[in-house]
Amino acid sequence: EAQVTQNPRYLITVTGKKLTVTCSQNMNHEYMSWYRQDPGLGLRQIYYSMNVEVTDKGDVPEGYKVSRKEKRNFPLILESPSPNQTSLYFCASSPYIGEVYEQYFGPGTRLTVT
Amino acid sequence: KNQVEQSPQSLIILEGKNCTLQCNYTVSPFSNLRWYKQDTGRGPVSLTIMTFSENTKSNGRYTATLDADTKQSSLHITASQLSDSASYICVVSAGYSGGGADGLTFGKGTHLIIQP
Repeated sequence: EAQVTQNPRYLITVTGKKLTVTCSQNMNHEYMSWYRQDPGLGLRQIYYSMNVEVTDKGDVPEGYKVSRKEKRNFPLILESPSPNQTSLYFCASSPYIGEVYEQYFGPGTRLTVT
Repeated sequence: KNQVEQSPQSLIILEGKNCTLQCNYTVSPFSNLRWYKQDTGRGPVSLTIMTFSENTKSNGRYTATLDADTKQSSLHITASQLSDSASYICVVSAGYSGGGADGLTFGKGTHLIIQP
């Protein structure tokens, strides 16, 4: 089954404790992206990657890191989480960057930083 | 600045009724417009994608329209079902890729509740 998976789905952590949220897709998509979703603000892009070893900042990259060592994986790293990073996070992938492309979202990771 | 405005913010209708959600955008240059359905706590799922040349597109009971001249789109839901309760997000893609992220501008969504 074609899908984007994220782990963990739920995470409660404390300020300053490094964490990684994994994202994996099995569709051989070149493009992957991370979003956060907060009430009243909608989806905002954190980072994106157009292919292996190619990453770039989205609209709200502060406090986050990413890597793209393999095509299928795109982990999101919070080196020193803070309470303002409490949010619902989504990973997404799409087959190519072009005029029209289908974007597939993962199930989401709900992160709480205390 | 590219913007996507959706209305209403929330809507409650009775099961079986029809409804229409609105999306106005100021995105330039325009490439395509998407409607997503997002169930609570889940990832968005694509309903329709329309390019400049398309003014209507259907997906089952969902019909999206696009007026590129007035920069407006609507999503019409026919004979609503309880499972239609969700947020509906309008997303507009600018006519470029890369720079400025992937050129996608997201609306904040309309929260739809279907009551039995």
